[in-house]
Parts: sequence; structure tokens; C-alpha cells
Amino acid sequence: KAGVTQTPRYLIKTRGQQVTLSCSPISGHRSVSWYQQTPGQGLQFLFEYFSETQRNKGNFPGRFSGRQFSNSRSEMNVSTLELGDSALYLCASSRDRGYQETQYFGPGTRLLVL
Amino acid sequence: DQQVKQNSPSLSVQEGRISILNCDYTNSMFDYFLWYKKYPAEGPTFLISISSIKDKNEDGRFTVFLNKSAKHLSLHIVPSQPGDSAVYFCAARRSGSARQLTFGSGTQLTVLP
Repeated sequence: KAGVTQTPRYLIKTRGQQVTLSCSPISGHRSVSWYQQTPGQGLQFLFEYFSETQRNKGNFPGRFSGRQFSNSRSEMNVSTLELGDSALYLCASSRDRGYQETQYFGPGTRLLVL
Repeated sequence: DQQVKQNSPSLSVQEGRISILNCDYTNSMFDYFLWYKKYPAEGPTFLISISSIKDKNEDGRFTVFLNKSAKHLSLHIVPSQPGDSAVYFCAARRSGSARQLTFGSGTQLTVLP
């Protein structure tokens, strides 16, 4: 069974640009969550999507947005990039059949903002 | 406000010995805890989890202990192997928060041959 896949794996952008990252969950998984990892803040929750609806959101500015498609694939978008947005962006998927569900992570997208 | 804390940034153990990684939490609403292992430039890999209704869960070389009254959990790896060298993250989830995980800052485990 294929794991969580994320594209692209690496990305370089300049300040002010926008970026879209993609996540394909494990087949059969309907919940997709996004996390940001930085050296200073660690792993922080961005948002979670389930059945094409945002179910939960972390403390990030409105420049960070996401969506989920009917096939459970998800995208996240960051507009007006800032230097501090440089991070590893991780997505995780789960089946969402109970509170003891495990979330499985993809390899991440490394974003560098210059 | 750091709700999940891993106070040891690093830990070194000899191959074959026990590794004990610790994690403390402050939010009593957390009811499910997970441990992940992470290599640089890769996503976290799930290791083991425990529900708040249990105090121990075992899976092969990995055992997680939960002390709810102390709001403390620990991961034991026995025996430790060089391939276990990685950053270990403790994560917690509270009921009603869907799939939002709150992570600790991680502990770098180095297993010396």
C-alpha cells in the first residue's frame, strides 16, 4: 500500500510570491492534516480537512489556506510569502474511524523563501 | 504555552542497552498519545501509541508507559540498536479536536555501537 505522498519535495520561492503544495493521502484515508516544522517552533498544526471540509485550524494567519478534493487529495496554499515561512511542510492522513486512529505522515515539502 | 514537553533535547545510549525517552504534558484533556521517530528531511514515522484508559502498551522492542496522575509518559526501547538513532517526538491529541496533534520539541537519540 502506497504511503502519503507530497509534491513537490523541494521548492524555492521569493518573498511576496505564493505557493501551492499537494498531498495525496493513503488510499482509503479521508482525513488530511497539515503541519509546519521549523527549528524555532517545532511541529505545529496548520489545519485538518475531512470530506472536503476544514474541520480544525491552528493558529496561523489567513495567508495559509487549504482545500480537499473529493478524492481526499489536499492542497495547501501560502500567499504573500515571508522569510519566516521557510519550513518543512508535512501532511498526515488517517482513516478517521475512531479516536484511536493513527496519523501517517508524508515525506514533507521543504520550502525555502528568499 | 507548551502543552507537551520533552525536556531532554538529546540522549546517548550504548547499543543493546535500554533507551528511555520522556514526555510531560499539561493539558488534562489529552486522551491519546503517540510516539514518532523522525530522520532529517523525512516525515515522522509512527512508532507506538497509547490511549488514556491504559497505562502500558507494548510493540516489539517499544513500550510506552502512561502515568496520568503525573501527566507523564515514557518510551522504552529495548534493546537499543544503532538504527534507532533519530529524533523522537511525543504527540498528544484531545478528544473533540479531530486529528490535531500537539507535538513536543523532540529528543535526539544516539545509539552508540
